[in-house]
Formats: sequence, C-alpha cells, structure tokens
Amino acid sequence: DVKVTQSSRYLVKRTGEKVFLECVQDMDHENMFWYRQDPGLGLRLIYFSYDVKMKEKGDIPEGYSVSREKKERFSLILESASTNQTSMYLCASNTGQSYNEQFFGPGTRLTVL
Amino acid sequence: GQNIDQPTEMTATEGAIVQINCTYQTSGFNGLFWYQQHAGEAPTFLSYNVLDGLEEKGRFSSFLSRSKGYSYLLLKELQMKDSASYLCAVLDSNYQLIWGAGTKLIIKP
Repeated sequence: DVKVTQSSRYLVKRTGEKVFLECVQDMDHENMFWYRQDPGLGLRLIYFSYDVKMKEKGDIPEGYSVSREKKERFSLILESASTNQTSMYLCASNTGQSYNEQFFGPGTRLTVL
Repeated sequence: GQNIDQPTEMTATEGAIVQINCTYQTSGFNGLFWYQQHAGEAPTFLSYNVLDGLEEKGRFSSFLSRSKGYSYLLLKELQMKDSASYLCAVLDSNYQLIWGAGTKLIIKP
C-alpha cells in the first residue's frame, strides 16, 4: 500500500519561530511537492523537487525553503513563521511524468499565533 | 491569467445522480484531473482525461471537451460516503498543475 506520511497532523507555533515540516514517501517516487490549502482557494504549489538535492519554486515560494537530501524525504522550512502562514500543508509525490497521479500525505494543519 | 472554475457547493440525494462541472482557462493543456478529498483527509485520485469524451470508472465518469475548456464529473447511485470535496486540476503547457478551489458535495438521505 503506497504511503506518504507527514511528521505532524497539527502544529501550533509562534510568530518568528523556525518551523520544519517533514514528508516521507515509501514509493521510490522521483517527484515530490509541497502545497498549501486555504478555504476558497485551490491548492497552491510552494516548492517541488524532481530529484535529490534539486528544488524548483512553485507559485508561492516566498517565506519558505525546502530540502531534499534523500529521495524519500522532502522537508518544508518556514524560516520565520508569520500569521499569514497559518494553513493546511499537503505533501505529495509521483513518479516520472507529470500526468501521473499524485499521492498525498494526510496534511499538517499549522497555526501560527 | 490561469483560472479553474467549479461550483463551491452542491447538494444531492442518496441514490441520485450528480454532475460537477469544471471550466478552465489555462496556458496550454496537457490533461485534466479529478481528485476526491474527504474532510480532514488527503486528496485521492479519481480520473485523468486528456482526450475528448467520456471515461467511465464504476459509479464515477469524467467527461472532457477541450474546445470548450470544460469537464464534468458524474457520480451515479450516490452513497453517503460520497460526501466530500471534488477537486478539478489542469496540467498546463509547462506541465504544472493548476487547481480549482473544489466543490463540496453534500449527500442527504
């Protein structure tokens, strides 16, 4: 059974804190993605990675960075959390071509106070 | 700009049929996806259309018209477990996914 896991389901942080969100997939997928999901908006791509140590900016990279040191792990970092980064964060992965389905993790609901 | 439009919310009755529409304006087109997302859970893949026409998969069917920039998801014999949000997403000319805001489907007994 394919699986994408995220380190936390719920997280509460204070403004200015450094926040790490971890994502691990066990499907040997090349591609990994970080999205945020807000009410009334579609999923918005923050960053993605097509290979180890490789990263590409998505639509809303400002205030975020990522790390992919191993194929199965893709981390999202909020260098200095702000209240407007309160959101649901979803990690996804897929293999090969862009038209292949993405497999999503359960999401991390982050609240920044 | 790029735009995906879906109704915000729909209500249907258990056992009935419902059609969820999606219209898109994107820079190029390399296919359209439908995902299902139950409240508090991860989206899961339902269908992918790249050619015009209807693709049937059990109780769910997905239709695409590229000339009209239009797709729909048809759900038959609705069950209570079909209560969920349905997300439409288009793969643009850069092979990036553009997502709609989703349609929340409420099933009533």
